[in-house]
Amino acid sequence: AQSVTQLDSQVPVFEEAPVELRCNYSSSVSVYLFWYVQYPNQGLQLLLKYLSGSTLVKGINGFEAEFNKSQTSFHLRKPSVHISDTAEYFCAVTKISSGSARQLTFGSGTQLTVLP
Amino acid sequence: DSGVTQTPKHLITATGQRVTLRCSPRSGDLSVYWYQQSLDQGLQFLIQYYNGEERAKGNILERFSAQQFPDLHSELNLSSLELGDSALYFCASTSLASSTDTQYFGPGTRLTVL
Repeated sequence: AQSVTQLDSQVPVFEEAPVELRCNYSSSVSVYLFWYVQYPNQGLQLLLKYLSGSTLVKGINGFEAEFNKSQTSFHLRKPSVHISDTAEYFCAVTKISSGSARQLTFGSGTQLTVLP
Repeated sequence: DSGVTQTPKHLITATGQRVTLRCSPRSGDLSVYWYQQSLDQGLQFLIQYYNGEERAKGNILERFSAQQFPDLHSELNLSSLELGDSALYFCASTSLASSTDTQYFGPGTRLTVL
């Protein structure tokens, strides 16, 4: 089984400051990693995903994440945040499988609040 | 817009009742996943269907059931509702054409049980 830990439930940050949202995972098998964003009263939107290859992954809206296998981490970063980045961010994993059962296991979420 | 549609957007009902949530996947996607988002449990996987057949089950209560129809839309049936079933229910779809397919989420159905 897989599990995901998001270490910070709330992260307040001032506009134009950098931000890092932390994610650690645990799994006995290899996994794919994802970050999703949920804006108020909306569904989840994929920000970025790590499947293989370069450990630095770039996503939409200026976000990037780095996969660290030895530390089983997949932290999300943005060098300069905007008010519009205020949302809840979810880290998720799914096991690499040739079968069709590829459900996501989510972390508990981090509420990012960007302050003016 | 992800291309996944869910109806209704909001549902308010009483304890003991039964409701049906509907999901239409993106065009061409064969697989549908249902997730529940609640304050206590966070985002949890409930059940997955692929081309009409159940493929995986998560933390789905026996009072809940789902099916996927020949046109690939899916319905999640919740019965004998309890206050604790109040949550956001999402469906997601993917084609499963490759192992790296992304799941695209619908806007969710917010269920309130009074």
